[in-house]
Amino acid sequence: EAQVTQNPRYLITVTGKKLTVTCSQNMNHEYMSWYRQDPGLGLRQIYYSMNVEVTDKGDVPEGYKVSRKEKRNFPLILESPSPNQTSLYFCASSLSTSAKNIQYFGAGTRLSVL
Amino acid sequence: QKEVEQDPGPLSVPEGAIVSLNCTYSNSAFQYFMWYRQYSRKGPELLMYTYSSGNKEDGRFTAQVDKSSKYISLFIRDSQPSDSATYLCAMSLNNNAGNMLTFGGGTRLMVKP
Repeated sequence: EAQVTQNPRYLITVTGKKLTVTCSQNMNHEYMSWYRQDPGLGLRQIYYSMNVEVTDKGDVPEGYKVSRKEKRNFPLILESPSPNQTSLYFCASSLSTSAKNIQYFGAGTRLSVL
Repeated sequence: QKEVEQDPGPLSVPEGAIVSLNCTYSNSAFQYFMWYRQYSRKGPELLMYTYSSGNKEDGRFTAQVDKSSKYISLFIRDSQPSDSATYLCAMSLNNNAGNMLTFGGGTRLMVKP
């Protein structure tokens, strides 16, 4: 089954404790992206990757890091989480950056930073 | 002002009603227009996809784009309780750039039996 898998689904942590949210896709997609979703703000892009070892900032990259060492994996790293990073996070993938390609989303990771 | 505006709702309708969901946008360069449906505790899934102006129909769903007014709509006919979800409009430029999609804030729809 074609899917984007995120882990963990729920995470509660404390300020400053480094964490990683994993994302994996099994569709051999080139393009992967991370979004955060906050009430009334829709989805805002954090980082994206157009291929292995190619990453770039989205609209709200501050406080986040990513890496793309393998095509299937695109982890999101919070080196020193803060309460304003409490949010619902989604990973997405697409065949390419062409706007004609559908983006497939993971089920989401709900993060609370205390 | 946000680039894409969408009424957050909630919009509550009886089963069988025709539902109209709308978004306005400010960037006239957007060329691809999408509607995503997001059920509670799930990720968004693509519902409808339209290129440029015009209408597109798929079963009970019709997507409409009016580029001259910078306005897009999603109509749901014979709405069902299973249509209860948050509907997100999204738009894209035609530039193969990495910042592919700009989303509206989403409208929460509740269809009551």
